[in-house]
Amino acid sequence: DSGVTQTPKHLITATGQRVTLRCSPRSGDLSVYWYQQSLDQGLQFLIQYYNGEERAKGNILERFSAQQFPDLHSELNLSSLELGDSALYFCASSPPGTSGGELFFGEGSRLTVL
Amino acid sequence: KNQVEQSPQSLIILEGKNCTLQCNYTVSPFSNLRWYKQDTGRGPVSLTIMTFSENTKSNGRYTATLDADTKQSSLHITASQLSDSASYICVVSLLSGTYKYIFGTGTRLKVLA
Repeated sequence: DSGVTQTPKHLITATGQRVTLRCSPRSGDLSVYWYQQSLDQGLQFLIQYYNGEERAKGNILERFSAQQFPDLHSELNLSSLELGDSALYFCASSPPGTSGGELFFGEGSRLTVL
Repeated sequence: KNQVEQSPQSLIILEGKNCTLQCNYTVSPFSNLRWYKQDTGRGPVSLTIMTFSENTKSNGRYTATLDADTKQSSLHITASQLSDSASYICVVSLLSGTYKYIFGTGTRLKVLA
């Protein structure tokens, strides 16, 4: 158990819909990262938050948005869903004050868009 | 451009055999290199961390090496087990910058009985 919690574990929805994925980082970790992993592909970095503020952006579509709340949990919002958005979405957290600290991953949220 | 390349893309070996996975990187400034194991459908888990001054580090049957001069790392798995079937991801961290992680695309290992 990495200490990172993601909900829901599985989600099935239709094209055009909107979903929200939730992540609670490990206790004490201030950074939260979101990654997308399509079938048989590598992990693609979407966005990073640090202590409530956006820190870095990767290949995140404009239809996607995220935020980190004062209690440090984060949400990833995916809207106007397309078939190609079907993927595993991972959240990770890392300890504060380290350069390239270990990433602790949650078990992922599997999104299926029909 | 900061890049991490892994080879082979996929590998099939028989249970009990050894194998070596490769990671080449062009990342600067370099902070550390980690190997992660990702079971199918699960989140990646760190196996080892290598810093600039370390050449070899072991974690059970996993041994990672780092050659900072040639910017190469390898992960050697000894006496493979069925549970070693997974993707192995090389992640190099930058010493500076806001986002510090450069991911390789992984090597998919399949261990057969």
